[in-house]
Amino acid sequence: QVQLQESGPGLVKPSQTLSLTCGVSGDSISSGGYYWSWIRQHPGEGLEWIGFIYYSGTTYYNPSLKSRTSISIDMSENQFSLKLTSVTAADTAVYYCARSNPSEPFDYWGQGTLVTVSS
Amino acid sequence: DIQMTQSPSSLSASVGDRVTITCRASQGISYSLAWYQQKPGRAPKLLLYAASRLQSGVPSRFSGSGSGTDYALTISSLQPEDFATYYCQQYSTITKTFGQGTKVEVK
Repeated sequence: QVQLQESGPGLVKPSQTLSLTCGVSGDSISSGGYYWSWIRQHPGEGLEWIGFIYYSGTTYYNPSLKSRTSISIDMSENQFSLKLTSVTAADTAVYYCARSNPSEPFDYWGQGTLVTVSS
Repeated sequence: DIQMTQSPSSLSASVGDRVTITCRASQGISYSLAWYQQKPGRAPKLLLYAASRLQSGVPSRFSGSGSGTDYALTISSLQPEDFATYYCQQYSTITKTFGQGTKVEVK
């Protein structure tokens, strides 16, 4: 059974960098074949795809967030990470990590973690 | 980006009702359409993919249809556990986009 688990600070100050990690169990990122994504959901709103990373290190980001987003991979720990720089209150959201095959929907999701941007 | 527009944004229904939610893409997406169910405080759950294919373990009362730009999710007989928010998502392009959601509430 594939499981994903987000971790990281629940509170970030404005202008700082949001950093989250997604630990993967039941699957090996290094085996290839899947995209590993970050998705967020503003309180009471819909879902916004942030970007993905492939095991090769190839990344692709939502153009609306590209300038502030970085996703990296740590295959030794079987996890991938998100960094979002220069955050504002508008970045307050529940952040999910998720898995998909290329050109397929997201079949496994983490439980989500709320990140609040506030001083 | 491809914009996804769901309707209605919310609906009220009773157990046993037939419920249909529609999703329109701003351009053709060639059946690359998924439906998710989300309950409060939980992650979205994949229900259908490729517009009409049921994800493993999902009850057969859920079905999907459509082509081109217009798609629909139908729940044939609403059950108590089906009260939730439903999202469509296109994966035709590398930038994935979701509809704004449809909340199915108790009438």
